[in-house]
Amino acid sequence: DQQVKQNSPSLSVQEGRISILNCDYTNSMFDYFLWYKKYPAEGPTFLISISSIKDKNEDGRFTVFLNKSAKHLSLHIVPSQPGDSAVYFCAAKGNTGNQFYFGTGTSLTVIP
Amino acid sequence: ETGVTQTPRHLVMGMTNKKSLKCEQHLGHNAMYWYKQSAKKPLELMFVYNFKEQTENNSVPSRFSPECPNSSHLFLHLHTLQPEDSALYLCASSQDKGRDQPQHFGDGTRLSIL
Repeated sequence: DQQVKQNSPSLSVQEGRISILNCDYTNSMFDYFLWYKKYPAEGPTFLISISSIKDKNEDGRFTVFLNKSAKHLSLHIVPSQPGDSAVYFCAAKGNTGNQFYFGTGTSLTVIP
Repeated sequence: ETGVTQTPRHLVMGMTNKKSLKCEQHLGHNAMYWYKQSAKKPLELMFVYNFKEQTENNSVPSRFSPECPNSSHLFLHLHTLQPEDSALYLCASSQDKGRDQPQHFGDGTRLSIL
């Protein structure tokens, strides 16, 4: 059973607008969350992370929000740029063990 | 070179062949990982090594055999694979296992089993 879910396989956004990518998880023991970005023919690249003691982490145009009660996190990209077009994966890890659980990814297309 | 390098990038093999995937990291990390990514499925952790010692085997069939001669190199030896083993195999590394820190991935080996 998938513990991390990205229910939107794709998203299209106009350049300059906000992109919001969503991720839900089922395991309340998860306490560390990450977003990765993947271009075709390349491996995933770490983008931003958040630990469960925070509800927001910001890095430039990228902000991750964590809602622990809803077991939901989201990645906001603003303003979106064509170079942001990629597949975005969320991942989560519990405080025991070292296994990350990944979502299936959301393909973002930023239209110029 | 920097980062995590995987070779070969593409591999086509028959079910009776034996081949190996190689991963090398130049980040000074102590933990290395093998993942499998099949179409429309999330990344699946296969093996974890920390300071050259295998710490996790996620119920991977014995036709996949990992080897970690040192903290910088990781191999995945393949033999008698099945068509369902066709997938993208990703190697990753992190400073240490178990801590809250990101894993850094290579570009993967696209494996096709005939």
